[in-house]
Amino acid sequence: AAGVIQSPRHLIKEKRETATLKCYPIPRHDTVYWYQQGPGQDPQFLISFYEKMQSDKGSIPDRFSAQQFSDYHSELNMSSLELGDSALYFCASSGGQGREQFFGPGTRLTVL
Amino acid sequence: GEDVEQSLFLSVREGDSSVINCTYTDSSSTYLYWYKQEPGAGLQLLTYIFSNMDMKQDQRLTVLLNKKDKHLSLRIADTQTGDSAIYFCAETSLGNTPLVFGKGTRLSVIA
Repeated sequence: AAGVIQSPRHLIKEKRETATLKCYPIPRHDTVYWYQQGPGQDPQFLISFYEKMQSDKGSIPDRFSAQQFSDYHSELNMSSLELGDSALYFCASSGGQGREQFFGPGTRLTVL
Repeated sequence: GEDVEQSLFLSVREGDSSVINCTYTDSSSTYLYWYKQEPGAGLQLLTYIFSNMDMKQDQRLTVLLNKKDKHLSLRIADTQTGDSAIYFCAETSLGNTPLVFGKGTRLSVIA
């Protein structure tokens, strides 16, 4: 069965640079969620989209923005990167009234 | 706000049963989930339970929910070394809303 796809899997950036993370949800899933997991931490919700509209907003810094496109894929744009942004970034998707959120493999961002 | 608590570590012998516990505070929690995360990997959904259920069984996994005490547990029967991982409890009040995670329980299985 198709799973959530995230790219890139690994990303290394310098401080103050920008980064774009991409997420391709499971086919026919209409909701995408972004989570950030710091080292040794639990995942923290950043933002979500339903049918291309922002549906919930969590602890997403103002330096980050995201959107969901007409083909339901989503991108997380991160600017003015800081050392503390180094983390695993997960995308998850769910479909219709589905109760399950399925997670992608994550993008490991390292900011030097 | 919502809060989900888990014990941080659990160590069991191969072949024994593991029981991972979780408590939550949000009375409106409707769906409760268990995810497994292996080192450097993503979050694998193991199972979930709806708040009007007391128990759910899926092969070696048994989930028990005590809604009155807001207590959730995951029992893994015949624990294997491949079960070594971090197990996250998570809750949400509606089906399409963000998950709130516990800190995770690191399960170590001793051969």
